[in-house]
Amino acid sequence: DGGITQSPKYLFRKEGQNVTLSCEQNLNHDAMYWYRQDPGQGLRLIYYSQIVNDFQKGDIAEGYSVSREKKESFPLTVTSAQKNPTAFYLCASSGAQETQYFGPGTRLLVL
Amino acid sequence: GNSVTQMEGPVTLSEEAFLTINCTYTATGYPSLFWYVQYPGEGLQLLLKATKADDKGSNKGFEATYRKETTSFHLEKGSVQVSDSAVYFCALRRGETSGSRLTFGEGTQLTVNP
Repeated sequence: DGGITQSPKYLFRKEGQNVTLSCEQNLNHDAMYWYRQDPGQGLRLIYYSQIVNDFQKGDIAEGYSVSREKKESFPLTVTSAQKNPTAFYLCASSGAQETQYFGPGTRLLVL
Repeated sequence: GNSVTQMEGPVTLSEEAFLTINCTYTATGYPSLFWYVQYPGEGLQLLLKATKADDKGSNKGFEATYRKETTSFHLEKGSVQVSDSAVYFCALRRGETSGSRLTFGEGTQLTVNP
């Protein structure tokens, strides 16, 4: 089945540690996105990529990094510079119809 | 800039009640409008969309009409079920090229009691 997968479902980060969240899609979509969701708030855009080897900062990019080496994959690294990383992270992708489809999310917790 | 305002929650209804969740937006030009639903612990699922004025999106008994004159896209359902309990997000998209960004409202928590 076509879709978007995110792993792991839960991720724990220690102080000063970088962690990487995986996002894979087999929908043949050109564009991919990372959002952060905090309790009681809407989604905020971290980074997005419209094409392989290119990406742009969203509204809250500080403390995060991404890469887009393959069309299917758009991993997000939460660096030690992100001082408040605890959140639910959602990956999405969109194709020619522009509608964004979301993965199941990764919940990041700080130890 | 673009913005989306949703009615504050949480909203609690009894089964078979009528549902309205208000959504208004601010944007230049002609945005596309969306409703997404999020069940506990899951990602967002597209519920319905409308791409131009007076379009009506509908799915699973939910409806919303794109009203340019009132800059609104209110979500309605005639008879809610317990399984409709979730968080509902209104969103808009500007731009005609691939990768156009979505702007989300803050979400409205709906609880339906039997």
